[in-house]
Amino acid sequence: GEDVEQSLFLSVREGDSSVINCTYTDSSSTYLYWYKQEPGAGLQLLTYIFSNMDMKQDQRLTVLLNKKDKHLSLRIADTQTGDSAIYFCAGTGNTGKLIFGQGTTLQVKP
Amino acid sequence: DVKVTQSSRYLVKRTGEKVFLECVQDMDHENMFWYRQDPGLGLRLIYFSYDVKMKEKGDIPEGYSVSREKKERFSLILESASTNQTSMYLCASSLPGRSSGNTIYFGEGSWLTVV
Repeated sequence: GEDVEQSLFLSVREGDSSVINCTYTDSSSTYLYWYKQEPGAGLQLLTYIFSNMDMKQDQRLTVLLNKKDKHLSLRIADTQTGDSAIYFCAGTGNTGKLIFGQGTTLQVKP
Repeated sequence: DVKVTQSSRYLVKRTGEKVFLECVQDMDHENMFWYRQDPGLGLRLIYFSYDVKMKEKGDIPEGYSVSREKKERFSLILESASTNQTSMYLCASSLPGRSSGNTIYFGEGSWLTVV
C-alpha cells in the first residue's frame, strides 16, 4: 500500500521561504494533497496537485511534483507567523483512501 | 459554518470503560472516517464508512468499533478503553471517489485521555 514520509520539523525566520518535503511510494495516486493543521484544530485542505502536473502555484504556495523520484514539496513564500502549523502531505494510492504522512511542524520565528 | 462536529473535545476515561465518540456532518457526504493522530505518526485510519450501515476496517481497527445508523452520524466506540488509546481522534467526511481528498472536511478533534 501507499507509504508517505515527511520530516518532522522545520524552523524558518519570518519573511524567508519554507520548503516542506514529502516522499511517497505508490505512483498510482491521482491527486496529492497538502493539509494544514493549526493548534487545537482539525486539518484543512491547503492545496493539491493532479498527478500529471509538475507544478501548481496558488498565491504564496508552490507545489512541485517529481513523479520519477516520487517526491512532493510545498514552498511557502514570505513565511509569516500565521503559517506556523503542522503540514501533512497525503496521497490516495490505488485504494482511493487518503494516506497521510507524519506531519511537519513548521515553526516561524519573528 | 460548522460542517463536521465532534461532540466531545476533551474526555478523561478510566481503563476498562466503554467510550463513545460521536461525529455529525451536515454536508450529506457518503464517506465518513475516524483517524487517530499521534505525534510523529501522523494520522492513521481506524475505520471508515462509505454508506449507512456500511463500514470497513482501516489500518488500526483493533480495540475499536464503529456505528453508522444514519448518513450524517458516525460513532467510534472503544469497548474497553486502555491507556494506549490515549490520543487525539479526528472525524472526517467526504464525497466518494478518487478525488475525495478535495472534498474532505475534518472535525476539530477529540482529545481522549485514558487513566
